[in-house]
Amino acid sequence: AQKVTQAQTEISVVEKEDVTLDCVYETRDTTYYLFWYKQPPSGELVFLIRRNSFDEQNEISGRYSWNFQKSTSSFNFTITASQVVDSAVYFCALNRLHTGKLIFGQGTTLQVKP
Amino acid sequence: GAGVSQSPSNKVTEKGKDVELRCDPISGHTALYWYRQSLGQGLEFLIYFQGNSAPDKSGLPSDRFSAERTGGSVSTLTIQRTQQEDSAVYLCASSSDHPEAFFGQGTRLTVV
Repeated sequence: AQKVTQAQTEISVVEKEDVTLDCVYETRDTTYYLFWYKQPPSGELVFLIRRNSFDEQNEISGRYSWNFQKSTSSFNFTITASQVVDSAVYFCALNRLHTGKLIFGQGTTLQVKP
Repeated sequence: GAGVSQSPSNKVTEKGKDVELRCDPISGHTALYWYRQSLGQGLEFLIYFQGNSAPDKSGLPSDRFSAERTGGSVSTLTIQRTQQEDSAVYLCASSSDHPEAFFGQGTRLTVV
């Protein structure tokens, strides 16, 4: 069975703080994809990043960074120097190679206060 | 179009009525997905279309739900005899060769 767990339901930080969103997944597949999506108050899901299971290299994009550790089945997302515009619900998702169904976690609501 | 387009953006219907929700995927995308997001809940997979293959309907919650995709492009999700628990945001997404899916703005369905 495949499952994605985002244990943090809500996180509140003050602007400029760093924040890490946790994601733990379960799968029996050896090849799969992991994703992060952002859902701002407007409601549209915005794709942030895709990571292949065979590529454990961490990635940084501006203030965003992702830490993929296959050994612990985790794919955590860190926002450095958070801003009010980062306030949103963030979803981690898993999908099997060559299949379409995305399995989403329950989401983490991030509130960044000025 | 530039992105996934869904219509209507909002729909209020009376319990027992049928509704149709439309999704126009990104041009050239072969895969199309429907998800449902209930208030304060995560995203629930409903159905997945890939090219000419038989759709994966494993997420449809009951036989009141059906979906079709005509000509490999536009898709319609139909809910018959709507119930109050059907109230949710219905999200459509599409993807190409890359596995990441791009989502539309969603249709907010309210059953009264």
